Amino acid sequence: NAGVTQTPKFRVLKTGQSMTLLCAQDMNHEYMYWYRQDPGMGLRLIHYSVGEGTTAKGEVPDGYNVSRLKKQNFLLGLESAAPSQTSVYFCASRPRGVRTDTQYFGPGTRLTVL
Amino acid sequence: GESVGLHLPTLSVQEGDNSIINCAYSNSASDYFIWYKQESGKGPQFIIDIRSNMDKRQGQRVTVLLNKTVKHLSLQIAATQPGDSAVYFCAENTGTASKLTFGTGTRLQVTL
Repeated sequence: NAGVTQTPKFRVLKTGQSMTLLCAQDMNHEYMYWYRQDPGMGLRLIHYSVGEGTTAKGEVPDGYNVSRLKKQNFLLGLESAAPSQTSVYFCASRPRGVRTDTQYFGPGTRLTVL
Repeated sequence: GESVGLHLPTLSVQEGDNSIINCAYSNSASDYFIWYKQESGKGPQFIIDIRSNMDKRQGQRVTVLLNKTVKHLSLQIAATQPGDSAVYFCAENTGTASKLTFGTGTRLQVTL
């Protein structure tokens, strides 16, 4: 199993440009999450999904959109990038169940908006 | 809003010593807590978890202690090794969809 993978690993955008970050997991997990991590701060939840075709807002959803058309993929879109969106973005997933709430993380995408 | 926080931003320990990383949480309704380790340039990696019906849980070289009375969580690493150098985050389950709230992190530096 590859676990959780993210593409691209790095990206530089100009203000106003758009892009999509791809998260893929091969563990058949129902739940998927997008976080951003800024220097000196913990991870903050942007959007999440509890299953294929469903998405919901997290703590900092403004300026982002998501889609979960396939169970294994969770896309994060920036329609008009702003310098405030410069950050490291992490995707995570976890299976549905009650024994554990542990989330499994991808390696991250480092995004710079100029 | 309620959040998870950490007392020490950086902890420096000598190789072979024990490390203790602390975390304070404020949501009394949280029933599940996790410690993650994040090495430079990588995503967070699960270390150990604990539910609120327990006050101690042990893993391989790691122990998590939970004190619900004072809303305090700690991670103890025995015989700290250079490979333990990383940023450690505590996180709490905030309810529906297993959303996690993360603390700001503590950097553990292991000196030889």
